[in-house]
Amino acid sequence: GAVVSQHPSWVICKSGTSVKIECRSLDFQATTMFWYRQFPKQSLMLMATSNEGSKATYEQGVEKDKFLINHASLTLSTLTVTSAHPEDSSFYICSFPMPGYGYTFGSGTRLTVV
Amino acid sequence: TQLLEQSPQFLSIQEGENLTVYCNSSSVFSSLQWYRQEPGEGPVLLVTVVTGGEVKKLKRLTFQFGDARKDSSLHITAAQPGDTGLYLCAGAGGGNKLVFGAGTILRVKS
Repeated sequence: GAVVSQHPSWVICKSGTSVKIECRSLDFQATTMFWYRQFPKQSLMLMATSNEGSKATYEQGVEKDKFLINHASLTLSTLTVTSAHPEDSSFYICSFPMPGYGYTFGSGTRLTVV
Repeated sequence: TQLLEQSPQFLSIQEGENLTVYCNSSSVFSSLQWYRQEPGEGPVLLVTVVTGGEVKKLKRLTFQFGDARKDSSLHITAAQPGDTGLYLCAGAGGGNKLVFGAGTILRVKS
């Protein structure tokens, strides 16, 4: 099956700084990728849909200027958390659909803002 | 808006016991998936059910899709400590989006 590489697996940053998370599909070209946020012991909440070559589509309540998504190629999507604050601390996961297979998820990024 | 209600939210059982997790919706889904997630990792797909009434078995795990494709269940027989984790149901909604249930935290004690 397809492999998704998400990097970094964990990051600690200071309040006010920005953090970039990368998600690469290693053996599949993905025109669409999804970014999720997950709080401890809770389910995944869809933040946005990343579309290759066009603007991302954000879910209601997600600030597009705070969570910048770039999907410049068919194998790479990035999520940048800008001016991070402690309340942005969470587990961020990327995913992309594979027709006939389902959805493959990255291993996640644990962000801690101090 | 399509919603999936998953229950129970938390389950703590002894090794060897059986359990069932339920996922219900008022909406029809074209397919429904079950995932298992361990702390600090992404969800791993267990199964996809597509046809109403479909039953799939994966070793000690039995998955069922309701006839109307609005509900699903996951049954684990003779649970083992290695089954401990977060179980998530998810339905394929519009625009290729996945709608997730709230999740069930399963803890199997030896």
